[in-house]
Amino acid sequence: EDQVTQSPEALRLQEGESSSLNCSYTVSGLRGLFWYRQDPGKGPEFLFTLYSAGEEKEKERLKATLTKKESFLHITAPKPEDSATYLCAVQPNAGNNRKLIWGLGTSLAVNP
Amino acid sequence: DTAVSQTPKYLVTQMGNDKSIKCEQNLGHDTMYWYKQDSKKFLKIMFSYNNKELIINETVPNRFSPKSPDKAHLNLHINSLELGDSAVYFCASSLAGRGSEQFFGPGTRLTVL
Repeated sequence: EDQVTQSPEALRLQEGESSSLNCSYTVSGLRGLFWYRQDPGKGPEFLFTLYSAGEEKEKERLKATLTKKESFLHITAPKPEDSATYLCAVQPNAGNNRKLIWGLGTSLAVNP
Repeated sequence: DTAVSQTPKYLVTQMGNDKSIKCEQNLGHDTMYWYKQDSKKFLKIMFSYNNKELIINETVPNRFSPKSPDKAHLNLHINSLELGDSAVYFCASSLAGRGSEQFFGPGTRLTVL
């Protein structure tokens, strides 16, 4: 069964303290893996798409990487404005591949 | 220049009532979605339309009926509202194909009393 597991559920960091969020997945063929950021009371905001193992994407303090079993979202020197829930989703190759499989998210709090 | 918009943002209503949520996208996408996000923040797909054709229809009570008058609009009508329908409903859109990132609206918070 296709599945996405994110860890940790919640993470509290001090400003400037770098860390990584994990997204483990099992899927019958990966078409794409997506990272989103969701602020309270808002819709998920698209961050990155990764297609194949070894690929990396960067945006400001965020860097997403992908292996055959998991993806990491590395946050370098985070600031309080990086506080949000980070969601991971995968798009399988097989079946109805418009349907994304979502994780439960990691709630990140960055203290000043 | 809002990309995906939803109305209303908040909806408070009594059990048994019928209500509708509207969604519009100006991104030129051909696929639109309705999601339900519960209190645990899990995003559950409900429906998806591609060029006005229903392509995803998850196990959702038939009190929920989506309608897509054209590929830029997707509405959700809910009959006989129940307490368990209280949630945030998100509309999203994407282009068909590889890496079809979905772009989300701001959400509609539905509260059934």
